Amino acid sequence: DAMVIQNPRYQVTQFGKPVTLSCSQTLNHNVMYWYQQKSSQAPKLLFHYYDKDFNNEADTPDNFQSRRPNTSFCFLDIRSPGLGDAAMYLCATSRDGQGPQYFGPGTRLTVL
Amino acid sequence: AQTVTQSQPEMSVQEAETVTLSCTYDTSESDYYLFWYKQPPSRQMILVIRQEAYKQQNATENRFSVNFQKAAKSFSLKISDSQLGDAAMYFCAREGAQKLVFGQGTRLTINP
Repeated sequence: DAMVIQNPRYQVTQFGKPVTLSCSQTLNHNVMYWYQQKSSQAPKLLFHYYDKDFNNEADTPDNFQSRRPNTSFCFLDIRSPGLGDAAMYLCATSRDGQGPQYFGPGTRLTVL
Repeated sequence: AQTVTQSQPEMSVQEAETVTLSCTYDTSESDYYLFWYKQPPSRQMILVIRQEAYKQQNATENRFSVNFQKAAKSFSLKISDSQLGDAAMYFCAREGAQKLVFGQGTRLTINP
C-alpha cells in the first residue's frame, strides 16, 4: 500500500545533541511537510518542500532544518534540541499542495 | 490571519447516537478545500472527509457527512451511529497556499 513512513517512531536525545528524523513516501507526491505537534494541540507547520523548493514558516526557529535529497525522502534536523522541542513530529505529503495531506505515524521526540 | 475555529474543545455522545462537530473558518479565496481529520490517542492523523468549496453538494463518507455553508463559512461534521472507534481528536482544516490551517481540535468521547 502507498504510504508515508517515519523513522524512528520514538527518539530520545540529550539536551543540545543533534538529532535527525526521517520521512519517506511511496505516494510519489510533489509536496512534503514537517509539523510539530504538542499534546492536545493542532499540528504546527515548520516547513515544506514543493519538489526541491524549500518553504520555511516565518516563526520556525533556526534550530530546525530540513533536507529533501529526492522525491521519496525528507529529513528533519534539529541542531541543538532544547527541552521545549520535545513533541510529536509529523510528516505529511500532498500531490500538488492542493487537496488533502496524508500523514505518517509520527516520531515522538523526548529531550533529556 | 486566516483562521479556523472549532468552538467545542470537548464533546461526548452515547454509542449509536449522532453527534455534530462545529467548525467555522475565514478565507478570502473563492475556491478551496476543507477537511476533517481524525487523530485517535497516540495514533496516526487520518483524513475523514473532504469538501471542495465550489461543490454545493455536501460530502458524505459512510457514517460521516458534512454540512457546508459557504456563505456562512461553516463546515460541520456529523457522525451518525457513533461507534467506540470514533473516539479521537477531530481537527477541521482549510487548505490555502499549499498549506493546511487547522482548528484547535475537538476531543470526542464515545460513551458505551
